Formats: sequence, C-alpha cells, structure tokens
Amino acid sequence: AQSVSQHNHHVILSEAASLELGCNYSYGGTVNLFWYVQYPGQHLQLLLKYFSGDPLVKGIKGFEAEFIKSKFSFNLRKPSVQWSDTAEYFCAVNAYDQGGKLIFGQGTELSVKP
Amino acid sequence: EADIYQTPRYLVIGTGKKITLECSQTMGHDKMYWYQQDPGMELHLIHYSYGVNSTEKGDLSSESTVSRIRTEHFPLTLESARPSHTSQYLCASSPSTDQPQHFGDGTRLSIL
Repeated sequence: AQSVSQHNHHVILSEAASLELGCNYSYGGTVNLFWYVQYPGQHLQLLLKYFSGDPLVKGIKGFEAEFIKSKFSFNLRKPSVQWSDTAEYFCAVNAYDQGGKLIFGQGTELSVKP
Repeated sequence: EADIYQTPRYLVIGTGKKITLECSQTMGHDKMYWYQQDPGMELHLIHYSYGVNSTEKGDLSSESTVSRIRTEHFPLTLESARPSHTSQYLCASSPSTDQPQHFGDGTRLSIL
C-alpha cells in the first residue's frame, strides 16, 4: 500500500536558520507530489507541487522542494526561515492510478524562535 | 481565503446524537473529499466523490456516510455519535483528480 513518511515530527529552529524537512513515499509508479502548510488556526494551504518536468520546484514564501525519483523523496527546503513560518507541514502524494486520492504524511510541526 | 466552507467549526455533543457536518464549495469542483485527522497524526481519507450521485469509501474505515446530491454540497453524517468519533474532519475539493485539493477550515468534533 502507498505510504508517506515524514522524518521529523517536531523541528525547532531560530530565525534565519536553514530548513530541510524530509519526505519519502512508497509507490513505484508515476506520482504527483505536494507540500501543504497549516498555519495556526488556518486551513491547509498548498505550498508547492510537483507534477512533471524540473524536479526542483519553487513554491510560495521562498520554499522549494526537490523530487529525487531514485530515492522516492520530496524534501522541502528554505534557506532562511522566519518566525511566520511556524506551522505544520504535510507532505502528500497521489498516484496516477489512485483516482486523485491524497496520501498524507503524519506532518512536521515547525516552531521558529524569534 | 478558502472557497470551501465547513460548518460547524467546533461541535461538542453527547453520545447517541445524529450529527451532520456540512461542506460546501463555490468553485464548481467535481471532486470532493472528506479526511479525518487525529491530533499529531496524518490525514486519512474516509470518503470521496467524483461528482453528483457518486460516493466512495476511502482508505480509512468510517461509520459515517456521505451524500452528493448537488455539486457544491458534500455533507457527512454520523447516525449515532460515539466518543471514538472524536476527531477533526476536513473537507476538500479539486477540479480534477490530478490537481491540488483545496481544504476547508475543518470541524473539530468532540463526543462526550
């Protein structure tokens, strides 16, 4: 069965530190990959997505993610975090033959200290 | 600003009550989804719909039921709520199966 694994449950950083959140998925076929973010008290929002083409994708607010097919990974990065990046981050995958159903990782809570 | 609306935002109710969680979207999306999320855990798909009169069960077994009589409306019903149903329920929609999903604010449900 498809699964998505996020390596860190809770990450604490100081402002200006660099961020990398790991995401690995298990599925051998063609996938679409997503990172969603949930700021405190708000709904889930799309941060970035990968469908095809350049494996390095850029999203909103300076985030980027790199799809490495050989490693089944889609890690999220930001060179310099801000206090406003404090949120929960979810990696999600849908497979072409799964009818659009998203499989989510368990989420990573990011706390940025001012 | 979300174009998908869930009500109520919070609900605390006693065991045995019938509950309907509302979800509406104004984007004309055919695909709609319900997820269940416990604190600190991943979202699990419990129901989905690809259009009017189409409903399917998701990967996580749920005692809830759904209906899709209109494109914009995808309510979820629990006939007899139990404490084990306490969770957050998130509704989402998308224009097609390979496009990102748009999420509502969720309903936090507590069954006493």
